[in-house]
Amino acid sequence: EDKVVQSPLSLVVHEGDTVTLNCSYEVTNFRSLLWYKQEKKAPTFLFMLTSSGIEKKSGRLSSILDKKELFSILNITATQTGDSAIYLCAVEQETSGSRLTFGEGTQLTVNP
Amino acid sequence: DAGITQSPRHKVTETGTPVTLRCHQTENHRYMYWYRQDPGHGLRLIHYSYGVKDTDKGEVSDGYSVSRSKTEDFLLTLESATSSQTSVYFCAIRAPSNEQFFGPGTRLTVL
Repeated sequence: EDKVVQSPLSLVVHEGDTVTLNCSYEVTNFRSLLWYKQEKKAPTFLFMLTSSGIEKKSGRLSSILDKKELFSILNITATQTGDSAIYLCAVEQETSGSRLTFGEGTQLTVNP
Repeated sequence: DAGITQSPRHKVTETGTPVTLRCHQTENHRYMYWYRQDPGHGLRLIHYSYGVKDTDKGEVSDGYSVSRSKTEDFLLTLESATSSQTSVYFCAIRAPSNEQFFGPGTRLTVL
């Protein structure tokens, strides 16, 4: 059975801290791994990773994929209260329709 | 803004009634998806479409049907709503670069 597991499920930090969110997966026919941020609305796209070891970066957020060990991490440096959200990891498979299998998400709370 | 709208945005209905949710896109993308989001389960795929009149089941398709008669519209129907279908429903489209972008969601409550 295809599986995506995120850890931790929730995390509370103070502004300025650096956080690392984890995503491990076991899926057949892996194509890519995607990260989304969800505040009290629809998920918004952050990164798509297809190759091992190549870091994707956007401002204070960065992510990397390890296809040998089947995991990805999402790093957020110098966190701000606006980073408070659920962070979702999803894996795309090379199947009809390119379906996504999502993890449960990590609830990040950044306190001032 | 990925050009996706959903209607209605909120709906309260009673057990046993039919319900149709609509997803509309302005981007002319081929692939469209319906997900539901529930606490403890994350997002789960209900049905998807890979073209007009071409649809397939996802992991939680029981109790749901879909139709796509035009590229821009993807309808999700609950033939006879049950309380277990109370959820937030998201539509998504797949861009040519393979990322999926989500609509604003529909909060459905079945009493």
